[in-house]
Amino acid sequence: QKEVEQDPGPLSVPEGAIVSLNCTYSNSAFQYFMWYRQYSRKGPELLMYTYSSGNKEDGRFTAQVDKSSKYISLFIRDSQPSDSATYLCAMSEGTNDMRFGAGTRLTVKP
Amino acid sequence: ETGVTQTPRHLVMGMTNKKSLKCEQHLGHNAMYWYKQSAKKPLELMFVYNFKEQTENNSVPSRFSPECPNSSHLFLHLHTLQPEDSALYLCASSQGPGLAGARTDTQYFGPGTRLTVL
Repeated sequence: QKEVEQDPGPLSVPEGAIVSLNCTYSNSAFQYFMWYRQYSRKGPELLMYTYSSGNKEDGRFTAQVDKSSKYISLFIRDSQPSDSATYLCAMSEGTNDMRFGAGTRLTVKP
Repeated sequence: ETGVTQTPRHLVMGMTNKKSLKCEQHLGHNAMYWYKQSAKKPLELMFVYNFKEQTENNSVPSRFSPECPNSSHLFLHLHTLQPEDSALYLCASSQGPGLAGARTDTQYFGPGTRLTVL
């Protein structure tokens, strides 16, 4: 079993749709959860950061962490073509050894 | 320059060549990282430097040799690579562990070097 599982997609949605991206993990010691966005030919950029369980909202983006189920989600409301990118989940125990998912490629069509 | 920069952005090399990748961070961070990103695979952590000292080496073949002369610069020296080493090599930096109350360490990435080994 991989330490972090993420559906690679691709995922294609119409503009304005609500997007749900998910990761599952096996290491119950993970406490810090992040979502990165990676545009084509660029490095990943930090989008959301969450500590332990709960929700965090930032504009059109909401990150959810359910530690009991070892499941994290990223929701994008009112999706825009500019949201088209690969989204990577990442998590760590609190050291600088982060574990990444394989990334989900998202396309938002106008 | 701001953030994390990497040069070159693209590199094509033969299996017998020797080349180096360079990373520079302008964020005042104390930790730097090398990752390998292959298609449809998770980012693979290769090396970690904290305060210029290598603290992690995730079973990386010796044909990859890192160098961290100071906390702002990181190099990855390449020699006798294989075609399967073709990938995007990403550098990242973070504030660094060990700071009081800072148990996590958000990483900021450079744009990467796209390496092709012929």
